[in-house]
Amino acid sequence: GAVVSQHPSWVICKSGTSVKIECRSLDFQATTMFWYRQFPKQSLMLMATSNEGSKATYEQGVEKDKFLINHASLTLSTLTVTSAHPEDSSFYICSARQGLNTGELFFGEGSRLTVL
Amino acid sequence: AQSVAQPEDQVNVAEGNPLTVKCTYSVSGNPYLFWYVQYPNRGLQFLLKYITGDNLVKGSYGFEAEFNKSQTSFHLKKPSALVSDSALYFCAVRSPSRNYGQNFVFGPGTRLSVLP
Repeated sequence: GAVVSQHPSWVICKSGTSVKIECRSLDFQATTMFWYRQFPKQSLMLMATSNEGSKATYEQGVEKDKFLINHASLTLSTLTVTSAHPEDSSFYICSARQGLNTGELFFGEGSRLTVL
Repeated sequence: AQSVAQPEDQVNVAEGNPLTVKCTYSVSGNPYLFWYVQYPNRGLQFLLKYITGDNLVKGSYGFEAEFNKSQTSFHLKKPSALVSDSALYFCAVRSPSRNYGQNFVFGPGTRLSVLP
């Protein structure tokens, strides 16, 4: 299957700083990528849809100024958590779809963010 | 609105025994159904999907799932469980739509523990 790479896997930062997470499709082009947040022992919550060359579409309740998404190329989307606070600590996962409308999503390995 | 239910938070099974992880769904139109597995601190790995055709779908690692339209179910099964199958399993559904990401809905997850 297609490979989606996510970096970094783990990041610890101080309150008030910003953190950037990268999501790359390694062997296919992804015009659309998706960012999820996962709380402990819970399912995935879709945060936003990242569209190459245009603005991201955010889900209701997700602060777009807090979670900046940039999709500058067909293989890279970035999520920047700005002015991070301890409540932003979570597991963030990106995904991308390859090809057909019936295709499955391929997921990155996730990024564990801890804000001190 | 689409929804996915996984009625069991936890499933325990002895190694070598058959396992079933249950999933029921609600969606308008013909559903696309997926199963994913997540290991600790990792992203989701695709196991199998049902789009159309044979109701019994075979996937990775010896897993299979049966689509039952009348019961709106898509239970995941494996004839003989391995300790290494212990993980978190997610069922997902989407209906064919232009809004691909928003319509990809995950269940709450079921934790499978295979006991040696």
